[in-house]
Amino acid sequence: GQNIDQPTEMTATEGAIVQINCTYQTSGFNGLFWYQQHAGEAPTFLSYNVLDGLEEKGRFSSFLSRSKGYSYLLLKELQMKDSASYLCAVRDSNYQLIWGAGTKLIIKP
Amino acid sequence: NAGVTQTPKFRILKIGQSMTLQCAQDMNHNYMYWYRQDPGMGLKLIYYSVGAGITDKGEVPNGYNVSRSTTEDFPLRLELAAPSQTSVYFCASSYVEGANVLTFGAGSRLTVL
Repeated sequence: GQNIDQPTEMTATEGAIVQINCTYQTSGFNGLFWYQQHAGEAPTFLSYNVLDGLEEKGRFSSFLSRSKGYSYLLLKELQMKDSASYLCAVRDSNYQLIWGAGTKLIIKP
Repeated sequence: NAGVTQTPKFRILKIGQSMTLQCAQDMNHNYMYWYRQDPGMGLKLIYYSVGAGITDKGEVPNGYNVSRSTTEDFPLRLELAAPSQTSVYFCASSYVEGANVLTFGAGSRLTVL
């Protein structure tokens, strides 16, 4: 079966750095996405990786290793507004998105 | 641009009732999707459409129906509502080229009692 694993919940301190991991086993691979979802709101797109390596976008970076079936989302200089759930999704060989359950990130002052 | 607009935001149904969740997008996106999101679980695809007049089943289509008569609109019909359909429903759309990033509507919280 297809599976996306990410931690259920993480806690970090304002101003610090946090890394959210995502491992996947899917039928084929055509890209990995990270979305942010604030409580009670819709997911919004953060990043997309299709080749191995690091993609940087401001305070957020996303890394992909296709051989290891592994990605992480790195958030720097954490702000209170970063408190949200972070969803990892992989597009499989049929171009269907398989979603992880999300990681709830709690930021403490 | 309004993006993706979903209505209603909240609805309570009795078992056996039917209803339609409305979804409209104004970005001229080819692809449209309906997902449901349950606590502790990843988004599950119900139905999707690659263009007007074309729809296909996703992972969890039972108990639902869709139509796509125009590029803009993609309503989701729930027939004979059951408690298992209590969930948050998200409509999304995407452009076929590039990374195919999804733009989501604000969501519709449905409770079936």
